[in-house]
Amino acid sequence: SQTIHQWPATLVQPVGSPLSLECTVEGTSNPNLYWYRQAAGRGLQLLFYSVGIGQISSEVPQNLSASRPQDRQFILSSKKLLLSDSGFYLCAWMDRAPEAFFGQGTRLTVV
Amino acid sequence: GQNIDQPTEMTATEGAIVQINCTYQTSGFNGLFWYQQHAGEAPTFLSYNVLDGLEEKGRFSSFLSRSKGYSYLLLKELQMKDSASYLCAVRDPDSGSARQLTFGSGTQLTVLP
Repeated sequence: SQTIHQWPATLVQPVGSPLSLECTVEGTSNPNLYWYRQAAGRGLQLLFYSVGIGQISSEVPQNLSASRPQDRQFILSSKKLLLSDSGFYLCAWMDRAPEAFFGQGTRLTVV
Repeated sequence: GQNIDQPTEMTATEGAIVQINCTYQTSGFNGLFWYQQHAGEAPTFLSYNVLDGLEEKGRFSSFLSRSKGYSYLLLKELQMKDSASYLCAVRDPDSGSARQLTFGSGTQLTVLP
């Protein structure tokens, strides 16, 4: 069966520090991968998606970047965090089924 | 563009039935999804409608009317554990292989004893 791992679960980082969040999927091949951000009490905002290795599409201009170095690995990064980068970050995957499945999420607080 | 509306909050009593509505105005349509999200946790998939009508899964049912741009999630025999945020999402057919979902802001349901 397919599983998705996302870490860390929580992170507190100072303004100006770098960021690296990692997501890996098991039990599927060539999935679509997504990074979402959720502000408190809000819906999910799509940040990046990838339909294959090395293929990254950005949905909103921002201080973040994404990479997909391997088929089932998706990384969200920043060189210098801003206060506004705080939020709940969710990785998701999708293959032949219509629905998307989410990782456990990372609660990022920038201080 | 995509615009999805759902009520911000709802309250219901344990054992009762509650209906959470979702309306959407989108440039295209290729399926509507409902997700449940408990506080601090990831969303979990509940239901998927692509054709008009009702889909039933145990205590949960979801209805879709494409002509009206309208869906609802019906929860029966409410339990305390059903207290959560319920997210409505629509797939954009123009997103091609990306198969992107656009989410509403969610409806926070509180089940009271």
